[in-house]
Amino acid sequence: QVQLQESGPRLVQPSGTLSLICSVSGGSFNNNNWWTWVRQPPGKGLEWIGEISDRGTTHYNPSLKSRVIISVDKSKNQLSLELNSVTAADTAVYYCGRNSGWSIAVWGQGTLVTVSS
Amino acid sequence: QSALTQPASVSGSPGQSITISCTGTSSDVGARNLVSWYQQHPGKAPKLMIYDVTKRPSGVSSRFSGSKSGNTASLTISGLQAEDEADFYCTSYTSSYTYVFGTGTTVTVL
Repeated sequence: QVQLQESGPRLVQPSGTLSLICSVSGGSFNNNNWWTWVRQPPGKGLEWIGEISDRGTTHYNPSLKSRVIISVDKSKNQLSLELNSVTAADTAVYYCGRNSGWSIAVWGQGTLVTVSS
Repeated sequence: QSALTQPASVSGSPGQSITISCTGTSSDVGARNLVSWYQQHPGKAPKLMIYDVTKRPSGVSSRFSGSKSGNTASLTISGLQAEDEADFYCTSYTSSYTYVFGTGTTVTVL
């Protein structure tokens, strides 16, 4: 069974870059899957950040597109998220997920990233 | 893209049925039958409850059902139980190859 685990710095400086890794166990990046990043500010709703296919095709939320990069490292069974020029509004729990069709069937446990000096 | 519109809260007594609506546009909910619903308990990751408007993943109770009419999708929970108390989010694939989440609904079991 596929399991996902997010990791990365919990505190990021304003105007800096938020970088997260999602480690995948029990699965691989060679089965025509799509992988997603979602975030949730404290006390607020879910926001779709973007997705990437096993082949590297990406789609991003238009509101974040200019600041976000999602990539995969097949050799390490990882996907990554980079969000630059962060502000306090980017403080959130960040989730990675594996799609099944057009829904997210498997979720990581999420990691809280705080943007603050 | 704007978030899909859901009621902020819905409540019901144990055993009752409740319905949560999710209203979008012809560019998302109304475009294709690609609406999903997620349940989220406090401090936990979301869990997929319904996909492709009406389908239930293996292991999800048959008390959860989905439907769609035009630009509005709905999630119905029948035989409401205490464990159903959680936040629920709809999401839809859009005609721009992106996804948009709903605003979220808190379900309270009275």
